[in-house]
Order: sequence, then C-alpha cells, then structure tokens
Amino acid sequence: GAGVSQSPRYKVAKRGQDVALRCDPISGHVSLFWYQQALGQGPEFLTYFQNEAQLDKSGLPSDRFFAERPEGSVSTLKIQRTQQEDSAVYLCASSAHQIYEQYFGPGTRLTVT
Amino acid sequence: AQSVTQLDSHVSVSEGTPVLLRCNYSSSYSPSLFWYVQHPNKGLQLLLKYTSAATLVKGINGFEAEFKKSETSFHLTKPSAHMSDAAEYFCGTGSARQLTFGSGTQLTVLP
Repeated sequence: GAGVSQSPRYKVAKRGQDVALRCDPISGHVSLFWYQQALGQGPEFLTYFQNEAQLDKSGLPSDRFFAERPEGSVSTLKIQRTQQEDSAVYLCASSAHQIYEQYFGPGTRLTVT
Repeated sequence: AQSVTQLDSHVSVSEGTPVLLRCNYSSSYSPSLFWYVQHPNKGLQLLLKYTSAATLVKGINGFEAEFKKSETSFHLTKPSAHMSDAAEYFCGTGSARQLTFGSGTQLTVLP
C-alpha cells in the first residue's frame, strides 16, 4: 500500500523567501508528526497533530515556523522568511495508534541560499 | 527528561560478522526505547521497540536489542551482518507525544 509521501523532495529557497512543505500521511492514520533533521544528526521533533488538532508544537524553533492539518489528513509545514540555519531535511511521519510505530516519509531537503 | 546517547558515530564490520551498535539512555523512570534504521533516500523504518515487557526485544531483519537497567543500555545486535544492513541507525526514546532520537550510527558492511 501507499506509504507517507512528501513534496517537494528537494527545495532551494533564497534567504527571506517563504516555503511550504507538504505531507500526505497513510490513509486513516490519526497522528502526524514533523521532524527536522540537520546534516549528520538525528531527527528532532517539531510538532504533533492528532487528527486536525495540533497537540504539541514545542519543537518549532521560532514563530517563522507554522504547521497545519485542517482536515485531519494532509499537513503543510510553512517556513516564513527562510534563514540559512533552516537548511535541513524535513521529515513527516504518521501513526495509527502507537506513537513508537511511526511511518516516515522520504523527507524534503530544504537548502536556503 | 529522557535522552539517549549513541556511543559510536561510525561502525564498520565485515559481512558475516556480528554487529553491535551501542546506545545508553538517561531516564528517571522506566523508559520506552526504540531503534530505527534509515537507508539512503528512504524513510526511517522501525526496527524494534522496548516498552517494559520482555527485556530482550526481537526486531525485523534479524536484529535484537537487550534492555539492561543496571547499565542503562539498549544496544542493538545482529549475529551476522549482511551487505543490505549498511545504513544509519538511530536509537531513541519516546513520551506520549514525541520521539527523541540519538545522533545516529552509520553502519558500513565490508565485503
């Protein structure tokens, strides 16, 4: 069956531009997570949705980062006024019930020049 | 707060020899621990998880990990490495709403 998909797979943005990253979770998965993975590091938690409710956004690094999941399925991570330190791979994951069994997408590699 | 430390950033083994990837945890109570694997250009995949049931946890692809409270460790092992095991491995811990990953161990398998 279809897994988690993310688009675009690669994004180059000039510093100061806004970007929007999309995540299509596995159909029926209630929980959706966003992570940021810097080069050579493990993923770091950004935010968590249960259906359309954003229950935890403690990992968002600044108010330039915003995530939404308006209908409880597709999610968008938006970064405003991108900075060079935002360059990373952004991972989306979904799970049906147990938090530990998350299914990850391939990620979007964002490069800010 | 819970955290993990992966003790090796790179591990290299020959095909057919045992694999040991080390992970120590820090937690004030019984933690929930896991290992994920990340192959190039593919999403992270759950290998196995420990949630206070049996201390020896068996995962996919022949991997297993043992929870040792006295050593605060959760090392990942495999008796015989295969070329397809070459990947990055992440140890981590979880709470109700988020997973916390270690910095990763890159496993190289030599022919």
